[in-house]
Amino acid sequence: AQKITQTQPGMFVQEKEAVTLDCTYDTSDPSYGLFWYKQPSSGEMIFLIYQGSYDQQNATEGRYSLNFQKARKSANLVISASQLGDSAMYFCAMREGWNQGGKLIFGQGTELSVKP
Amino acid sequence: KAGVTQTPRYLIKTRGQQVTLSCSPISGHRSVSWYQQTPGQGLQFLFEYFSETQRNKGNFPGRFSGRQFSNSRSEMNVSTLELGDSALYLCASSLSRENSEQYFGPGTRLTVT
Repeated sequence: AQKITQTQPGMFVQEKEAVTLDCTYDTSDPSYGLFWYKQPSSGEMIFLIYQGSYDQQNATEGRYSLNFQKARKSANLVISASQLGDSAMYFCAMREGWNQGGKLIFGQGTELSVKP
Repeated sequence: KAGVTQTPRYLIKTRGQQVTLSCSPISGHRSVSWYQQTPGQGLQFLFEYFSETQRNKGNFPGRFSGRQFSNSRSEMNVSTLELGDSALYLCASSLSRENSEQYFGPGTRLTVT
């Protein structure tokens, strides 16, 4: 079974509008962390936001927020006021357990295109 | 503060050869992880090093190996290259194993012919 599922291979959004990228995860470990990364065409992975399984509030970082619904095992990324520079691949990732260090499990990604 | 650096950025090798890739983490970061990214398999975890010790290993054959030096710099080696090893190899570093943020380098694009 897939540990991380991103069901939207590609998405379009109009500049200045908000967009939600979906991510569902599967784990039986009570301690885990969820990450979102952006990968422009240059290839570098850019860290966006992190949510721990025990965090009570949804994480926010500037225009990025994570809609964490623990019971549904979903961790959707919301980008407000989209910009042309937001066009990129977006990956959701999970670290299971408290002692897994740098081992992240990635989803297949969503390609976001922002239209002017 | 300088980010994660990887060398070389691009590499072309012939099947059967071996290759060594290098990763220098952000200053002060002690955890280094490696990932392979291909169009077919996506991003897959290779291994993680902390304090010069391998702490985690992904599901890759023994041809893939790595090490970490006392200054936290890391290298990964792939022996007996196969066409399927063509990929973008990404390195990530973090302050500690428990730290939430992992920062990636620009990657090394390896092409095996």
